[in-house]
Amino acid sequence: KQEVTQIPAALSVPEGENLVLNCSFTDSAIYNLQWFRQDPGKGLTSLLLIQSSQREQTSGRLNASLDKSSGRSTLYIAASQPGDSATYLCAVRPPSTTGANSKLTFGKGITLSVRP
Amino acid sequence: EPEVTQTPSHQVTQMGQEVILRCVPISNHLYFYWYRQILGQKVEFLVSFYNNEISEKSEIFDDQFSVERPDGSNFTLKIRSTKLEDSAMYFCASLFSGRPPHEQYFGPGTRLTVT
Repeated sequence: KQEVTQIPAALSVPEGENLVLNCSFTDSAIYNLQWFRQDPGKGLTSLLLIQSSQREQTSGRLNASLDKSSGRSTLYIAASQPGDSATYLCAVRPPSTTGANSKLTFGKGITLSVRP
Repeated sequence: EPEVTQTPSHQVTQMGQEVILRCVPISNHLYFYWYRQILGQKVEFLVSFYNNEISEKSEIFDDQFSVERPDGSNFTLKIRSTKLEDSAMYFCASLFSGRPPHEQYFGPGTRLTVT
């Protein structure tokens, strides 16, 4: 059974710092991995999706990398801002030939606080 | 940009009552999902739905739960007799097709409070 772990549970950094959020998963047989942002009491906003054949994806100040063989992904946030304060979740999808079985398995998330 | 919508945003119900949570997936999407997140816990998969039938369900999705796509646009989750432990945020998601990148788009969620 796939397990996704995100450590630490919470992180507090000063504004402007570059930071790395870690995600690990127990079964390296994944189809893709998604990083989400969740603001308190709100829904899930997809940030980046990495296919299993890819090593990284970039969007603005965000860069996500994937090392499937070691069961790890990192989300790099450059020049953090107070507006980046949120919970960041990673989720993995198992292999499938169709989307029908593409349930996502989530980590618990890392709650980031960026201090002004 | 198309988005998944969910109603209501917050539902309060008494234990034992039936509730229906509604979702409108993105219009050309073919795969639909329900997830839930109990406060402070992980987001958990409940059920996936394709071609008017359940594709997969988790052990959480017992006989008290059902899903339906009644009219080709709405996708509903029904809980027949709510329990206190059903209090959670419920997320609907949809996916376009079997082709990559298989990105699931999530709605804003319905917060269900069972008293």
